[in-house]
Amino acid sequence: GAGVSQSPRYKVAKRGQDVALRCDPISGHVSLFWYQQALGQGPEFLTYFQNEAQLDKSGLPSDRFFAERPEGSVSTLKIQRTQQEDSAVYLCASSSGPREQYFGPGTRLTVT
Amino acid sequence: DQQVKQNSPSLSVQEGRISILNCDYTNSMFDYFLWYKKYPAEGPTFLISISSIKDKNEDGRFTVFLNKSAKHLSLHIVPSQPGDSAVYFCAASGVTGTASKLTFGTGTRLQVTL
Repeated sequence: GAGVSQSPRYKVAKRGQDVALRCDPISGHVSLFWYQQALGQGPEFLTYFQNEAQLDKSGLPSDRFFAERPEGSVSTLKIQRTQQEDSAVYLCASSSGPREQYFGPGTRLTVT
Repeated sequence: DQQVKQNSPSLSVQEGRISILNCDYTNSMFDYFLWYKKYPAEGPTFLISISSIKDKNEDGRFTVFLNKSAKHLSLHIVPSQPGDSAVYFCAASGVTGTASKLTFGTGTRLQVTL
């Protein structure tokens, strides 16, 4: 079956621009997670949705980061006024239960 | 403060031999552990997991061992194959009744040589 998909796969933004990253989870998966992976590091948690409810946003690094999942399926991670330190791979994962999460290919964001 | 640590950034193993990847954790609230494999330009792929009520879980060539008292887990791959060359991430979670975020280590790059 179809896995988690993310778009765009690559995004180059000039410092100060706003970006929107999209995640299509596996159909029927209730839980959706966003992670940020810096070069040479493991993924770090950003935020978690159960259906349309954002239950945990403790990992969002600043108020420039905003995520939504209005209909409990597709999710968008928005970064306003991008900074160079926002350059990273943004990974989306979904799960049907409390344990294993299935990841998309990620969006590589480069802020110049 | 790194709660999940993979102290070996890289490992090289000959094809057919055993690969052993190690992971240590500090948070005693973690009760579920997972290994993910990652190829370049792809997302992490779930490999195998273990609950804290077990000390071993096996799936084909992959076995994960958990030593709770030492807060240590390891992934054994036997026999190693060239297609196993990838970055391996250890991850941990503590369930609170609903899905739980994963805390990852920094990864170990495994190279399986011919």
